[in-house]
Amino acid sequence: EAGVAQSPRYKIIEKRQSVAFWCNPISGHATLYWYQQILGQGPKLLIQFQNNGVVDDSQLPKDRFSAERLKGVDSTLKIQPAKLEDSAVYLCASSLGGTRGKETQYFGPGTRLLVL
Amino acid sequence: DQQVKQNSPSLSVQEGRISILNCDYTNSMFDYFLWYKKYPAEGPTFLISISSIKDKNEDGRFTVFLNKSAKHLSLHIVPSQPGDSAVYFCAASALTGANNLFFGTGTRLTVIP
Repeated sequence: EAGVAQSPRYKIIEKRQSVAFWCNPISGHATLYWYQQILGQGPKLLIQFQNNGVVDDSQLPKDRFSAERLKGVDSTLKIQPAKLEDSAVYLCASSLGGTRGKETQYFGPGTRLLVL
Repeated sequence: DQQVKQNSPSLSVQEGRISILNCDYTNSMFDYFLWYKKYPAEGPTFLISISSIKDKNEDGRFTVFLNKSAKHLSLHIVPSQPGDSAVYFCAASALTGANNLFFGTGTRLTVIP
């Protein structure tokens, strides 16, 4: 079974530029998550989708970050404009979308973003 | 506010010995706990989990212990192997929540051959 796919793996941009990340979850997984992991910290949830609807985006800086999950499968996360503090690894995860609170999330390899 | 804490940033253990990684949490609503392992340049990989109705869960060389009254859990690896060298993250979620995972800052385990 294929895992969670993410691209690109690495991205370097200058501040105020825009960037987009792509995620393809495990087949059949209804729930998709985007996490931000800053160096030396644990992953922090940015947004959670159930199919193509948003479940939680309370931690998403909506003035510059946006995410969508068209057709309930692939998802893109966009930052516009980027700031220096956005330098981090962006992780996508997916889960089956069954019993709440007992779901194992499976992570992709992440996209490492460096903002100069 | 860090709701899940891993106070030891690193741990070194001899091959064949026991590795014990600790995790504390503050939110009494957390009812499900997981450990993830992360190698460099890879995403976290699920290792083992435990529900709050249990105090122990075992899977091969890995055992997780949960002490709800102390809001503390630990991961035991016996025997430790060099391939276990990685960063280990503790994570927690609330059964009544949206399955959001709250992660600790991680402990880097080094198993010395």
